[in-house]
Amino acid sequence: GENVEQHPSTLSVQEGDSAVIKCTYSDSASNYFPWYKQELGKRPQLIIDIRSNVGEKKDQRIAVTLNKTAKHFSLHITETQPEDSAVYFCAASRAGGSYIPTFGRGTSLIVHP
Amino acid sequence: DGGITQSPKYLFRKEGQNVTLSCEQNLNHDAMYWYRQDPGQGLRLIYYSQIVNDFQKGDIAEGYSVSREKKESFPLTVTSAQKNPTAFYLCASSTTANQPQHFGDGTRLSIL
Repeated sequence: GENVEQHPSTLSVQEGDSAVIKCTYSDSASNYFPWYKQELGKRPQLIIDIRSNVGEKKDQRIAVTLNKTAKHFSLHITETQPEDSAVYFCAASRAGGSYIPTFGRGTSLIVHP
Repeated sequence: DGGITQSPKYLFRKEGQNVTLSCEQNLNHDAMYWYRQDPGQGLRLIYYSQIVNDFQKGDIAEGYSVSREKKESFPLTVTSAQKNPTAFYLCASSTTANQPQHFGDGTRLSIL
């Protein structure tokens, strides 16, 4: 089955700095890569996703890049703000049959004012 | 999301008791999932269902049971066989595996 590794487990930055979280996956057939943000005590929410036919996707201060050859994808947050502090989860999945999303273990991002 | 509702928000279980966590969605999603989250930990899959009347065990199914009699509903029972049930339980749904998951607000289960 799919295996997703996520690094780092904790990331501490100063407000205004950039933050990068990286994930690697094992199944070359995976074709959908979402990122979820979970604030303390709340539900995870989708913040951005990318499919395997695209190399990069941006939405304001966040972007995701995908390298299919190396089987890794990354979340980039620029100009970080204290409200970006949360746990971020990556996931990988593919269509069809009994496949289900596989999540990384999460990254706790702390943005210091 | 307003489309997926979990209840109750807090639940307490006595020793030897089974408890059931409710999950209802009105998003017309085929797939539904149950995850367990321990403090500072990631999402661990308990059970999932991709279609009505069918469900599959996830990574940590022991001590849990589910049913999927209706498309909208996927209740999770924490049985007395689950010796360490204290955790935050999240229900999610999606149209298919390679579409975004929508999560409920979660149920926090504790032992009395």
